[in-house]
Amino acid sequence: KAGVTQTPRYLIKTRGQQVTLSCSPISGHRSVSWYQQTPGQGLQFLFEYFSETQRNKGNFPGRFSGRQFSNSRSEMNVSTLELGDSALYLCASSWDRGDGYTFGSGTRLTVV
Amino acid sequence: EDKVVQSPLSLVVHEGDTVTLNCSYEVTNFRSLLWYKQEKKAPTFLFMLTSSGIEKKSGRLSSILDKKELFSILNITATQTGDSAIYLCAAYGSGNTGKLIFGQGTTLQVKP
Repeated sequence: KAGVTQTPRYLIKTRGQQVTLSCSPISGHRSVSWYQQTPGQGLQFLFEYFSETQRNKGNFPGRFSGRQFSNSRSEMNVSTLELGDSALYLCASSWDRGDGYTFGSGTRLTVV
Repeated sequence: EDKVVQSPLSLVVHEGDTVTLNCSYEVTNFRSLLWYKQEKKAPTFLFMLTSSGIEKKSGRLSSILDKKELFSILNITATQTGDSAIYLCAAYGSGNTGKLIFGQGTTLQVKP
């Protein structure tokens, strides 16, 4: 079966712009979590959605937001981009909380 | 605060060697411990250990969970160059829906 699909694979944006990243989970998975990965901080949790509802949120500023659609696909949005937002953004899907999470290949965001 | 600590942070071995990677955790309402292998982008799921499954094995890889001492180890025997990767340990607490707490990762390099 198809894995977790993230688009786009790469993005280059300018400071102050906004960006939207997309994640399509494994068919049947209803939980989608988002992570930011940087060399200095490792993988940091952004938020988790289940059945179109945000169930949990990490310690990121309000510029980071997300949503989930009825087909479980999820998007995350970052507004007013800063240089420090440059990172690999990973999403992971699961049947429900606590089950094994499968990761997508990520979106590499570079802010210049 | 929940945290996961991995050691060593990096390791260089030669093909055929056996390696042991360590992961200690402090997570509220601990439920499961997961190991991932990250080569390029997507972390690939290796094992999930819970109170009902504290030892897992797959080929040359094996892992155990010590719930009393709050740690886990990942063993790789007869290492191959293809084992070179970052190995990530993550813990999940049932009070923190959808959120995996990741360690810093162990970078393993296997030389021919």
